Amino acid sequence: RKEVEQDPGPFNVPEGATVAFNCTYSNSASQSFFWYRQDCRKEPKLLMSVYSSGNEDGRFTAQLNRASQYISLLIRDSKLSDSATYLCVVWGSSYKLIFGSGTRLLVRP
Amino acid sequence: GAVVSQHPSWVICKSGTSVKIECRSLDFQATTMFWYRQFPKQSLMLMATSNEGSKATYEQGVEKDKFLINHASLTLSTLTVTSAHPEDSSFYICSARLSSLAEKLFFGSGTQLSVL
Repeated sequence: RKEVEQDPGPFNVPEGATVAFNCTYSNSASQSFFWYRQDCRKEPKLLMSVYSSGNEDGRFTAQLNRASQYISLLIRDSKLSDSATYLCVVWGSSYKLIFGSGTRLLVRP
Repeated sequence: GAVVSQHPSWVICKSGTSVKIECRSLDFQATTMFWYRQFPKQSLMLMATSNEGSKATYEQGVEKDKFLINHASLTLSTLTVTSAHPEDSSFYICSARLSSLAEKLFFGSGTQLSVL
């Protein structure tokens, strides 16, 4: 089983739609969680950290469920510029970042 | 924010040649840098952890004699792909963090390697 699993998508949605991505992780001892965004052949860029209480940054909301070892990202009012691959990232053991394979989002006009 | 500079951005080389990729932290000292490899439609896979002044720590399955890592200063780490073959064609990317306890990573812009 992969340490971090994501639905690869692609999610194809119209502008203005709300879309949610899910991610599960296998190491129950993991302490830190993030969502990164990656454009094609570019470096990943930190979108937001994920906290147990849930956190929101504009149109983006992240949630963490430790009991279920589940992380989510909700994007409201999708923009064309949101089209990218979204990576679920977990700090694993020995201070190593473990990346999910990413979920691809396509926002159409 | 902190900046990590990586170059070259693109490399095309013949099979059997060696390719060096540089990663520099421009405005901070990075005692640790990480090297990742990403194949198309796959996740970033950690190859090795580069430690300033000591040997790199390689992940299981990564050949240390093929992927030479040198971290001679606090601002520079290099990855050399020796005797590159077409199967080494991939996107290589480095990252660094401000301290050993920092969780946020700063990424270089990546190097797309194509071996003919």
